[in-house]
Amino acid sequence: AQSVAQPEDQVNVAEGNPLTVKCTYSVSGNPYLFWYVQYPNRGLQFLLKYITGDNLVKGSYGFEAEFNKSQTSFHLKKPSALVSDSALYFCAVRRRDNYGQNFVFGPGTRLSVLP
Amino acid sequence: DTEVTQTPKHLVMGMTNKKSLKCEQHMGHRAMYWYKQKAKKPPELMFVYSYEKLSINESVPSRFSPECPNSSLLNLHLHALQPEDSALYLCASGRVGQTDTQYFGPGTRLTVL
Repeated sequence: AQSVAQPEDQVNVAEGNPLTVKCTYSVSGNPYLFWYVQYPNRGLQFLLKYITGDNLVKGSYGFEAEFNKSQTSFHLKKPSALVSDSALYFCAVRRRDNYGQNFVFGPGTRLSVLP
Repeated sequence: DTEVTQTPKHLVMGMTNKKSLKCEQHMGHRAMYWYKQKAKKPPELMFVYSYEKLSINESVPSRFSPECPNSSLLNLHLHALQPEDSALYLCASGRVGQTDTQYFGPGTRLTVL
């Protein structure tokens, strides 16, 4: 079965500092991995995805994520955090050989960027 | 246009009411999804439509009835809901395929009294 873990419920970082939001996954076969962000009372916005190729994926709003197959991780990073980055972040996985169309979402990590 | 729209934004209904949620996209996506999201929790998949046919029903109670009248529209018909059904209902769409991104609408905040 597919599963996604986000080990931190909450991440606090000062504005201007680098941020990392952690994600680990468990799936048989190779995964497709996604990051979404959700602002209060809004839907989910797509940030980036890993399908294949370069392990470092660049996405929207200056975010990037690094796929690490040996550690089964896909951590989200940004070199310099903004207060406006404060939101709920979800990692999601889809199994590569599963033609089914469902994502499995992690539990979410709340990011607070302090001014 | 990368927008998924949902109406209404907010809905309050009694347990005996019948109401419908509407979702629309004009991106040519042939996969459409309904999710339920409780506060501070991840979205939970309810239904998936692929080429206007229901392909996944995640054991959702029959008081929720989805409908996909055409490739751009997705409805969720609600009847005899319970207070625990109060949640944010999210619609998403995407191309049919494992690698493709799902694009989410802003959601309908449903309160069942």
